[in-house]
Amino acid sequence: GQQLNQSPQSMFIQEGEDVSMNCTSSSIFNTWLWYKQDPGEGPVLLIALYKAGELTSNGRLTAQFGITRKDSFLNISASIPSDVGIYFCAGQLNFGNEKLTFGTGTRLTIIP
Amino acid sequence: SAVISQKPSRDICQRGTSLTIQCQVDSQVTMMFWYRQQPGQSLTLIATANQGSEATYESGFVIDKFPISRPNLTFSTLTVSNMSPEDSSIYLCSVEGDSRVLGYTFGSGTRLTVV
Repeated sequence: GQQLNQSPQSMFIQEGEDVSMNCTSSSIFNTWLWYKQDPGEGPVLLIALYKAGELTSNGRLTAQFGITRKDSFLNISASIPSDVGIYFCAGQLNFGNEKLTFGTGTRLTIIP
Repeated sequence: SAVISQKPSRDICQRGTSLTIQCQVDSQVTMMFWYRQQPGQSLTLIATANQGSEATYESGFVIDKFPISRPNLTFSTLTVSNMSPEDSSIYLCSVEGDSRVLGYTFGSGTRLTVV
């Protein structure tokens, strides 16, 4: 099935650094979601975006819905150890039990 | 948002056998979604389970290999049949929230190892 292209594939940063990752698609979505997955757990929703051009924050996290509806960005400021994990973007065409299409994931590692 | 309980959390199975995974939601939902996450990979939708009708399978997944039951609005099962080592993955169930702001909620997953 289709997957969204997510980059970078992995990141190694020091605590306190800012993080940026993005997700691109060949087709448009009307909803973009960002999830974080910890080992042994299912993905947990971080931020949801519904409008092209929208910029939304959740604490140290900021995400943007690209104006073309084909991309989205997630930024994490001042990273802390608990930010370690895998981040997935997901696109949805319409709300109402329509499936999600997931990105390939970005693995974030914090170097002590 | 909904709370999902998934069982078992992990299992090690012999090839050729079958495993049934259970997903229980604390509220009634129309659709339940089953995903597979192969080692180091992203999530891929297997099928959508609607109560009262047959599940809808994504390309590459068939009912004989992944039969699904949906007996009521809070419960579903996914069976992985005639397992081979290639079936070793994390299997997750998911439901959509009541509003757009809730996105989809996922169970904690079933980590399956086939030996």
